[in-house]
Amino acid sequence: EAQVTQNPRYLITVTGKKLTVTCSQNMNHEYMSWYRQDPGLGLRQIYYSMNVEVTDKGDVPEGYKVSRKEKRNFPLILESPSPNQTSLYFCASSFLGYYGYTFGSGTRLTVV
Amino acid sequence: SQQGEEDPQALSIQEGENATMNCSYKTSINNLQWYRQNSGRGLVHLILIRSNEREKHSGRLRVTLDTSKKSSSLLITASRAADTASYFCATNTGNQFYFGTGTSLTVIP
Repeated sequence: EAQVTQNPRYLITVTGKKLTVTCSQNMNHEYMSWYRQDPGLGLRQIYYSMNVEVTDKGDVPEGYKVSRKEKRNFPLILESPSPNQTSLYFCASSFLGYYGYTFGSGTRLTVV
Repeated sequence: SQQGEEDPQALSIQEGENATMNCSYKTSINNLQWYRQNSGRGLVHLILIRSNEREKHSGRLRVTLDTSKKSSSLLITASRAADTASYFCATNTGNQFYFGTGTSLTVIP
């Protein structure tokens, strides 16, 4: 089944403790992206990647890092999480970035 | 921000009625897409319309695009209770996608 898999689904952590949210897709998509969704603000793009070793900032990259060492994986790294990064995070991928996205099921992160 | 805006923010209709929601955006686009999200779940791609297209259909969905007004509309005909969800437009500009804040649709059985 074609899908984007994110882990974990839920995560509660403390301020400053580094964490990684994993994302993997099995559709051989070049384009992958991370979004955060907050009430009243819609989805905002954090980082995106056009292909392996090619990443770029979206609208809200501060406090986040990404890497794209393999085509299928695009992890999101929070080096020192803060409470304002409490949010619902989505990973998504698409073919070349000009077609519809396939979204993961989301990761609900709480930073206390 | 280049984020699109959906209108209305919330819409409540009876089953069988048509639902129309609108999206306005700010910059020139490659394409515009509509997505559905059921309560806290991942978004599901519904339909994509390219900047050189004016109208597109998919099942009970009809999307229009007016690039001169920088606006799009999504029409869901003969709505069902299962259509209850939030609907988002997303514009593709270059390599980035910008989502609106969504329209929350409630279809009353």
